[in-house]
Parts: sequence; C-alpha cells; structure tokens
Amino acid sequence: GPKVLQIPSHQIIDMGQMVTLNCDPVSNHLYFYWYKQILGQQMEFLVNFYNGKVMEKSKLFKDQFSVERPDGSYFTLKIQPTALEDSAVYFCASSLLGTGVGNTLYFGEGSRLIVV
Amino acid sequence: GDSVTQTEGLVTLTEGLPVMLNCTYQTIYSNPFLFWYVHYLNESPRLLLKSSTDNKRTEHQGFHATLHKSSSSFHLQKSSAQLSDSALYYCALSGGSGNKLIFGTGTLLSVKP
Repeated sequence: GPKVLQIPSHQIIDMGQMVTLNCDPVSNHLYFYWYKQILGQQMEFLVNFYNGKVMEKSKLFKDQFSVERPDGSYFTLKIQPTALEDSAVYFCASSLLGTGVGNTLYFGEGSRLIVV
Repeated sequence: GDSVTQTEGLVTLTEGLPVMLNCTYQTIYSNPFLFWYVHYLNESPRLLLKSSTDNKRTEHQGFHATLHKSSSSFHLQKSSAQLSDSALYYCALSGGSGNKLIFGTGTLLSVKP
C-alpha cells in the first residue's frame, strides 16, 4: 500500500538544540499531519497542513514548533529549541483529502526523539 | 470537544477465542467517521476498517465493527483470535472539528497459544 517515510527513525539531542523531523508523504496526497505519542499514551494531534498552510494546530503545538513543505519536498517538523518534554515518538501522516469526508490517514513508522 | 474512549488497556486471549475491543466516542457532529487502526511493533499504524453508516456492519481481514450512533459505539470484533492478531489497536474519530483524527488510548491485544 501507500508508504509514508520518516527520517530519522530515532534521534538523541541535547536540550535547547534544534531538531528537524522529515516526512516524505504519499505522492499525490494533499493533507499532511503530525502526531505526538509519549510512551504509553495515545497519539495526539499536533498540526495539519494543506495547500502550503497550517490549517489547524493543537495546544501541544508550542511556539517552538514549526512545519513547512517547501516546493513539494519533505514535510518537516522543526522544534527550536527542544525541551525535555518534547521526548516522544512523532508520527507523520498524509491523506488524499480531509478526514472529515472519511479519507484514510496513512502513517509513517514514527521518529523517536529523545531530548537529554 | 471530540473524544474517544477505549476502556481496556490490555486484552489477553487464548488463540481461537472471540475478540471484542470496546470503543465509545463523544462528538456533537451528527455524521462522524469512526476508524480502527492496527499498530504492529516496528511498523506504521494502518487502517483496519472505517465507517460512517449507522447500524451497518463493516468487515476487513476477519474483523468487523458496527457503528451505533444511538450508543456512540464502534466496537471491534473477530470470531476467532489468531496469534498474528497481537498488536495495538486504536479507535479514532473524525467528527466535525476539522480534518484530523482523534485517537483513543489504544488497546494492546495479546493472543496466546
């Protein structure tokens, strides 16, 4: 089936440093998402992105977070500066159309971020 | 706001027994979509089945679920568990609050020989 690729699969970073998580979504998809999962907890919505713009973000999407997809390349999540509470697995997802019309989200395998 | 409740964190079953994983939801939207995702270790979460039709059974890969709007439920069932069904199962909701899925906390299904 359609694949979403995430790079890196895991990263350890010092608190205060910047990290960029990269996502290669399904090629013809139009909607992109980031979810955050702290160990043992549920996947929580961070942000969605369509037509070059953030459509919606949750309260977990702090000011230190940003997303972009320059010229149809990787969809990226940047955290600058990182904090200890940013340690989690970040899942990227994409969908052809919005979930409001029942479209399926396709997920990557996640990027495990450890902030020390 | 929208929410999804999965009451069982862990379900342990013997192979061959029936599976039922509970999912209830809350939304003010009258036409929500409900999804079940399965997440195997070291893989991506992937869609198992979905529905927006009230009282209609949806089936895929031996699993089935029926959306009941009267009770706000979308329980996942299978008649006979297999060892390969051991995984984390998430119920998710797309309500009226924009284009995103709201996930439950997940149920870890462990099937033993």
